[in-house]
Formats: sequence, C-alpha cells, structure tokens
Amino acid sequence: IAGITQAPTSQILAAGRRMTLRCTQDMRHNAMYWYRQDLGLGLRLIHYSNTAGTTGKGEVPDGYSVSRANTDDFPLTLASAVPSQTSVYFCASSPTTSGSFDEQFFGPGTRLTVL
Amino acid sequence: GQQVMQIPQYQHVQEGEDFTTYCNSSTTLSNIQWYKQRPGGHPVFLIQLVKSGEVKKQKRLTFQFGEAKKNSSLHITATQTTDVGTYFCAGWGKLQFGAGTQVVVTP
Repeated sequence: IAGITQAPTSQILAAGRRMTLRCTQDMRHNAMYWYRQDLGLGLRLIHYSNTAGTTGKGEVPDGYSVSRANTDDFPLTLASAVPSQTSVYFCASSPTTSGSFDEQFFGPGTRLTVL
Repeated sequence: GQQVMQIPQYQHVQEGEDFTTYCNSSTTLSNIQWYKQRPGGHPVFLIQLVKSGEVKKQKRLTFQFGEAKKNSSLHITATQTTDVGTYFCAGWGKLQFGAGTQVVVTP
C-alpha cells in the first residue's frame, strides 16, 4: 500500500455502541490527525499526534479518544456513540513532528452514521 | 481564539469565467495552506504560503497571502469543469480549517 488507509469505508452504528475507526499510513510520517467533516462546517480537528507515543486534543475532542502506539497506526475510538457523531471522518498525516509547515496527506475517509 | 472564515460558502461559475474565494483569520497566521476536495473525495494539498504578501501561481490558480498574514485568497481564471470541488484554506497558528468554498461549474 502507499499512503493512508482507513477502515471501515462506512458504518451504521446504534447509539451507545463503541466503535474504533482505523487509520494506517506507510509513509513513516511523524504527525497524524483525525478530522470530522460536516456540511457547512468544513474540517474540524478532533485529535492529533505529533509523534508515536504522544497525542493532543484538537478543536472538538469530546466523546473521542486516540492512541499512538507506533508510527503507522492512529485509531480513533468513540466510547459510546451518539447521533451527533454522525459525520465523515478523515485521517491525515504529515512528515515532521510539528506539522505546521508540512503538506497533510488525507485518507479516503470513513462515513459514520449513528442511529 | 483563532477563527478562520471562508467566503463565499458557495460559488456557481459559468465555464470560462473567473472567480475568487477568500480566507480570513481573526489572528495572525504563521502560514496558510490550500486544499481541494473533489465531490466524494478527500482533501488534496494545493499550496502553502508562508511570507507576508506572498503570491504563488499554479497554472490558472493564483494564491495570495495578505501583508498582515491574516487573510488569503485563491483566484481561478477561465474556470473549467475540472475545477469543480470544495476549496479549503487551513491556517496555522493553531491549526484550523475554514468551512470551504463549494464551486459548481456550469458548462
């Protein structure tokens, strides 16, 4: 593979269920990000990781958690899904630890519907 | 805190016409990036602007960074159907994307 993969492509989930969205990159990038995209609101940063072993909160972190056990993987977990978490989720990565002057590479996205 | 606003939210363009989309920040930015997302796709990096007053061109696309590093614009000349999509700016200070400008092109 080359780039970033996300799984699943789409998911319908009952409210209250736990869900983990997977993100894997093979570019050996240091920084990784999770965004949600909603109509009229653009891309909003949920959590980020500047390097393996570290994570940080973005603009809309509530209800989500992340981990970064290694360079390649950055899973996003919804502990107890709610309908307001219905969205398209994008994972992204960038080469350096600060990320601020790097191009971000995006995965294909996961469309999540919480009923 | 930092807020990044984009206008217009929606732009309907006749093929061959020019248009401009604007990105405005409430705070000074260290740099700004532009991304394009085709319908059903994911955002793809277009360009980055770092210096005050910087202007960069990519074929029919011209990007500008304001002198105060608080605003930016993307101007597309002679719009083509391949320009369809949503254009996002992303401001760094504290990373924040604008809501995007959705561009529809009429042949």
